[in-house]
Amino acid sequence: GMPVEQNPPALSLYEGADSGLRCNFSTTMKSVQWFQQNHRGRLITLFYLAQGTKENGRLKSTFNSKERYSTLHIKDAQLEDSGTYFCAAEAGGGSGNKLIFGTGTLLSVKP
Amino acid sequence: EAAVTQSPRSKVAVTGGKVTLSCHQTNNHDYMYWYRQDTGHGLRLIHYSYVADSTEKGDIPDGYKASRPSQENFSLILELASLSQTAVYFCASSGGLGSQNTLYFGAGTRLSVL
Repeated sequence: GMPVEQNPPALSLYEGADSGLRCNFSTTMKSVQWFQQNHRGRLITLFYLAQGTKENGRLKSTFNSKERYSTLHIKDAQLEDSGTYFCAAEAGGGSGNKLIFGTGTLLSVKP
Repeated sequence: EAAVTQSPRSKVAVTGGKVTLSCHQTNNHDYMYWYRQDTGHGLRLIHYSYVADSTEKGDIPDGYKASRPSQENFSLILELASLSQTAVYFCASSGGLGSQNTLYFGAGTRLSVL
């Protein structure tokens, strides 16, 4: 299967709702990054994690290398959270710091 | 603030023509990358570089060349553009080690090959 599987492919939320996105990895990854691609197509870096959990405002991300997954939790969703969210993982070994991207979750936040 | 600047922002090219996409970073980063994004898909790595005057093949290098004349500049070259190379191209830079491997992206170049 794909080295990085992202779920769900699409998600629709009402303003104020909470939800989570998930990436599963087919092998042990060294680190994970999360990005938001906004309506202008711009890619914005949200998190870098080598382990554990990080929070930034209404966003929280967790990376469990041993269990091969990472999550991005959005709390109190706002209209500006709409966009496509990508996770990207760095494999260990001789990967040359290359990232493997998931196919993204398209998030629509409705008023 | 760290910056990655791509030019042009959009381009229309003819099949068989030569296309050069340019990227300039002021992050003082060693690593630079070229990714391709097709509609509805994630990003795929074309070429990358970790030092000036050296480039490495990514996952989909066929039909593309890269050039890194200096730490700040990284170009992607399509010698003979083809219809299948219509896509959005993103340049990124990173420090390369640990948390410094965080990617910073340019705004993207929308390439249409006709």
